[in-house]
Amino acid sequence: KNEVEQSPQNLTAQEGEFITINCSYSVGISALHWLQQHPGGGIVSLFMLSSGKKKHGRLIATINIQEKHSSLHITASHPRDSAVYICAANTGNQFYFGTGTSLTVIP
Amino acid sequence: DAGITQSPRHKVTETGTPVTLRCHQTENHRYMYWYRQDPGHGLRLIHYSYGVKDTDKGEVSDGYSVSRSKTEDFLLTLESATSSQTSVYFCAISESDRGFGYTFGSGTRLTVV
Repeated sequence: KNEVEQSPQNLTAQEGEFITINCSYSVGISALHWLQQHPGGGIVSLFMLSSGKKKHGRLIATINIQEKHSSLHITASHPRDSAVYICAANTGNQFYFGTGTSLTVIP
Repeated sequence: DAGITQSPRHKVTETGTPVTLRCHQTENHRYMYWYRQDPGHGLRLIHYSYGVKDTDKGEVSDGYSVSRSKTEDFLLTLESATSSQTSVYFCAISESDRGFGYTFGSGTRLTVV
Protein backbone atom coordinates (compact mmCIF):
# COMPACT_ATOMS: atom_id res chain seq x y z
CA LYS A 1 0.00 0.00 0.00
CA ASN A 2 1.49 3.33 -1.07
CA GLU A 3 0.62 6.29 1.08
CA VAL A 4 1.56 8.65 -1.77
CA GLU A 5 0.70 8.09 -5.42
CA GLN A 6 1.95 10.22 -8.28
CA SER A 7 0.83 10.47 -11.88
CA PRO A 8 1.97 10.24 -14.52
CA GLN A 9 5.08 8.12 -13.93
CA ASN A 10 6.68 9.42 -17.11
CA LEU A 11 5.96 12.55 -19.10
CA THR A 12 7.43 13.91 -22.32
CA ALA A 13 6.61 17.44 -23.39
CA GLN A 14 7.61 19.90 -26.09
CA GLU A 15 9.41 23.02 -24.98
CA GLY A 16 6.89 25.71 -24.05
CA GLU A 17 4.10 23.35 -23.01
CA PHE A 18 2.19 23.66 -19.75
CA ILE A 19 2.85 20.64 -17.52
CA THR A 20 0.88 19.20 -14.62
CA ILE A 21 2.06 16.49 -12.23
CA ASN A 22 -0.42 15.08 -9.74
CA CYS A 23 0.00 13.71 -6.24
CA SER A 24 -2.61 11.94 -4.10
CA TYR A 25 -1.98 10.91 -0.52
CA SER A 26 -3.85 8.83 2.02
CA VAL A 27 -2.24 9.97 5.30
CA GLY A 28 -3.04 12.96 7.46
CA ILE A 29 -0.40 15.54 6.74
CA SER A 30 1.28 18.47 8.42
CA ALA A 31 2.77 19.56 5.10
CA LEU A 32 3.23 18.44 1.52
CA HIS A 33 6.59 18.84 -0.18
CA TRP A 34 7.61 18.84 -3.83
CA LEU A 35 11.18 17.82 -4.63
CA GLN A 36 13.20 17.89 -7.83
CA GLN A 37 15.95 15.42 -8.70
CA HIS A 38 18.13 16.04 -11.73
CA PRO A 39 20.11 13.35 -13.55
CA GLY A 40 23.24 12.93 -11.49
CA GLY A 41 21.18 12.60 -8.36
CA GLY A 42 20.99 15.81 -6.33
CA ILE A 43 17.61 16.44 -4.66
CA VAL A 44 16.29 19.96 -4.21
CA SER A 45 13.25 21.02 -2.22
CA LEU A 46 10.92 23.12 -4.41
CA PHE A 47 7.86 23.75 -2.24
CA MET A 48 6.43 23.09 1.19
CA LEU A 49 2.64 23.46 1.32
CA SER A 50 0.01 23.13 3.99
CA SER A 51 -2.80 24.93 2.16
CA GLY A 52 -3.62 26.88 -0.98
CA LYS A 53 -1.05 27.66 -3.59
CA LYS A 54 2.58 28.73 -3.90
CA LYS A 55 4.47 30.10 -6.90
CA HIS A 56 8.16 30.33 -7.62
CA GLY A 57 9.09 31.53 -11.08
CA ARG A 58 7.47 29.20 -13.60
CA LEU A 59 6.57 26.64 -10.97
CA ILE A 60 3.22 26.58 -9.18
CA ALA A 61 2.15 24.13 -6.49
CA THR A 62 -1.40 23.73 -5.24
CA ILE A 63 -2.98 21.59 -2.58
CA ASN A 64 -6.56 20.57 -1.75
CA ILE A 65 -6.55 19.28 1.81
CA GLN A 66 -10.12 17.97 1.69
CA GLU A 67 -9.44 15.91 -1.43
CA LYS A 68 -5.90 14.95 -0.30
CA HIS A 69 -4.47 16.02 -3.60
CA SER A 70 -1.67 18.27 -4.77
CA SER A 71 -0.51 19.37 -8.19
CA LEU A 72 2.75 20.78 -9.51
CA HIS A 73 2.46 22.93 -12.60
CA ILE A 74 5.26 24.13 -14.85
CA THR A 75 4.45 26.95 -17.22
CA ALA A 76 6.43 27.52 -20.44
CA SER A 77 8.44 24.34 -19.91
CA HIS A 78 12.12 24.30 -20.84
CA PRO A 79 14.61 21.45 -21.41
CA ARG A 80 16.34 22.38 -18.15
CA ASP A 81 13.11 21.38 -16.35
CA SER A 82 13.86 17.77 -17.31
CA ALA A 83 14.14 15.94 -14.00
CA VAL A 84 12.30 13.61 -11.66
CA TYR A 85 9.70 15.36 -9.52
CA ILE A 86 8.88 13.75 -6.19
CA CYS A 87 5.91 14.39 -3.93
CA ALA A 88 6.45 13.86 -0.19
CA ALA A 89 3.78 13.87 2.52
CA ASN A 90 4.94 14.95 5.96
CA THR A 91 2.93 13.57 8.88
CA GLY A 92 4.76 15.40 11.64
CA ASN A 93 7.79 13.22 12.11
CA GLN A 94 7.84 11.09 8.99
CA PHE A 95 7.88 11.66 5.28
CA TYR A 96 6.13 9.39 2.79
CA PHE A 97 7.39 9.64 -0.76
CA GLY A 98 5.88 9.04 -4.15
CA THR A 99 8.00 7.13 -6.62
CA GLY A 100 8.43 10.22 -8.75
CA THR A 101 7.44 11.55 -12.15
CA SER A 102 10.17 11.55 -14.76
CA LEU A 103 9.79 14.63 -16.98
CA THR A 104 11.59 15.09 -20.28
CA VAL A 105 11.18 18.38 -22.11
CA ILE A 106 12.19 18.24 -25.76
CA PRO A 107 13.54 21.36 -27.50
CA ASP B 1 25.91 22.25 -0.74
CA ALA B 2 23.56 24.39 1.32
CA GLY B 3 25.24 23.44 4.59
CA ILE B 4 24.99 19.67 4.37
CA THR B 5 27.69 17.31 3.19
CA GLN B 6 27.87 13.55 2.91
CA SER B 7 30.97 11.42 2.88
CA PRO B 8 32.13 9.42 1.12
CA ARG B 9 30.42 10.17 -2.21
CA HIS B 10 31.18 6.73 -3.57
CA LYS B 11 32.19 3.51 -1.87
CA VAL B 12 32.69 -0.09 -2.93
CA THR B 13 32.89 -2.61 -0.12
CA GLU B 14 32.84 -6.36 0.33
CA THR B 15 29.99 -8.38 1.75
CA GLY B 16 30.30 -8.79 5.50
CA THR B 17 32.38 -5.69 6.17
CA PRO B 18 31.17 -2.81 8.34
CA VAL B 19 30.59 0.53 6.62
CA THR B 20 29.93 3.98 8.08
CA LEU B 21 28.49 6.88 6.14
CA ARG B 22 28.72 10.39 7.53
CA CYS B 23 26.33 13.31 7.25
CA HIS B 24 27.56 16.69 8.43
CA GLN B 25 25.49 19.90 8.64
CA THR B 26 26.36 23.49 9.44
CA GLU B 27 22.72 24.70 9.69
CA ASN B 28 22.15 23.70 13.32
CA HIS B 29 18.92 21.96 12.27
CA ARG B 30 17.34 19.68 14.84
CA TYR B 31 16.11 16.94 12.52
CA MET B 32 18.33 14.66 10.43
CA TYR B 33 17.31 11.75 8.23
CA TRP B 34 18.91 8.87 6.38
CA TYR B 35 17.16 7.53 3.28
CA ARG B 36 17.97 4.99 0.65
CA GLN B 37 16.84 5.33 -2.95
CA ASP B 38 16.35 2.32 -5.17
CA PRO B 39 14.73 2.00 -8.60
CA GLY B 40 10.99 1.37 -8.31
CA HIS B 41 10.90 2.21 -4.60
CA GLY B 42 11.64 5.88 -4.40
CA LEU B 43 13.06 7.29 -1.19
CA ARG B 44 12.67 5.16 1.93
CA LEU B 45 13.46 6.22 5.46
CA ILE B 46 16.11 4.20 7.28
CA HIS B 47 16.50 6.15 10.54
CA TYR B 48 15.98 9.69 11.69
CA SER B 49 17.11 11.85 14.57
CA TYR B 50 15.20 14.57 16.40
CA GLY B 51 18.07 15.71 18.59
CA VAL B 52 21.43 14.73 20.01
CA LYS B 53 21.27 11.06 21.05
CA ASP B 54 17.57 10.96 20.04
CA THR B 55 16.96 8.62 17.13
CA ASP B 56 14.17 6.43 15.82
CA LYS B 57 13.71 3.75 13.20
CA GLY B 58 12.20 4.19 9.77
CA GLU B 59 10.55 1.65 7.50
CA VAL B 60 13.77 -0.07 6.32
CA SER B 61 15.96 0.01 9.43
CA ASP B 62 16.99 -3.68 9.58
CA GLY B 63 20.75 -4.04 9.17
CA TYR B 64 21.42 -0.37 9.91
CA SER B 65 22.30 1.58 13.03
CA VAL B 66 22.80 5.30 13.58
CA SER B 67 24.42 7.62 16.05
CA ARG B 68 24.17 11.32 16.73
CA SER B 69 26.59 12.50 19.39
CA LYS B 70 26.69 16.09 18.12
CA THR B 71 24.05 18.29 16.48
CA GLU B 72 26.06 18.54 13.28
CA ASP B 73 26.87 14.86 12.66
CA PHE B 74 24.60 11.90 11.92
CA LEU B 75 26.34 8.61 11.20
CA LEU B 76 24.81 5.62 9.44
CA THR B 77 26.47 2.24 10.01
CA LEU B 78 25.95 -0.97 8.12
CA GLU B 79 27.14 -3.52 10.66
CA SER B 80 27.79 -6.25 8.10
CA ALA B 81 27.13 -5.09 4.57
CA THR B 82 25.05 -7.25 2.24
CA SER B 83 24.44 -6.98 -1.51
CA SER B 84 20.84 -5.91 -0.82
CA GLN B 85 22.26 -2.75 0.77
CA THR B 86 23.73 -1.63 -2.54
CA SER B 87 21.93 1.66 -3.03
CA VAL B 88 22.20 5.41 -3.11
CA TYR B 89 21.99 6.88 0.39
CA PHE B 90 20.76 10.40 1.04
CA CYS B 91 20.97 12.41 4.21
CA ALA B 92 18.52 15.25 4.80
CA ILE B 93 18.03 17.91 7.45
CA SER B 94 15.13 20.07 8.55
CA GLU B 95 14.46 22.73 11.17
CA SER B 96 11.18 21.24 12.31
CA ASP B 97 9.23 18.00 12.15
CA ARG B 98 7.07 19.55 9.40
CA GLY B 99 10.10 19.98 7.21
CA PHE B 100 10.98 23.67 7.33
CA GLY B 101 14.35 24.06 5.67
CA TYR B 102 14.22 20.51 4.25
CA THR B 103 17.58 20.07 2.52
CA PHE B 104 19.26 17.03 1.04
CA GLY B 105 22.88 16.05 0.81
CA SER B 106 24.40 15.04 -2.52
CA GLY B 107 24.12 11.33 -1.84
CA THR B 108 26.48 8.40 -1.35
CA ARG B 109 26.55 5.63 -3.91
CA LEU B 110 27.37 2.40 -2.07
CA THR B 111 28.13 -0.84 -3.86
CA VAL B 112 28.45 -4.07 -1.90
CA VAL B 113 30.22 -6.81 -3.86
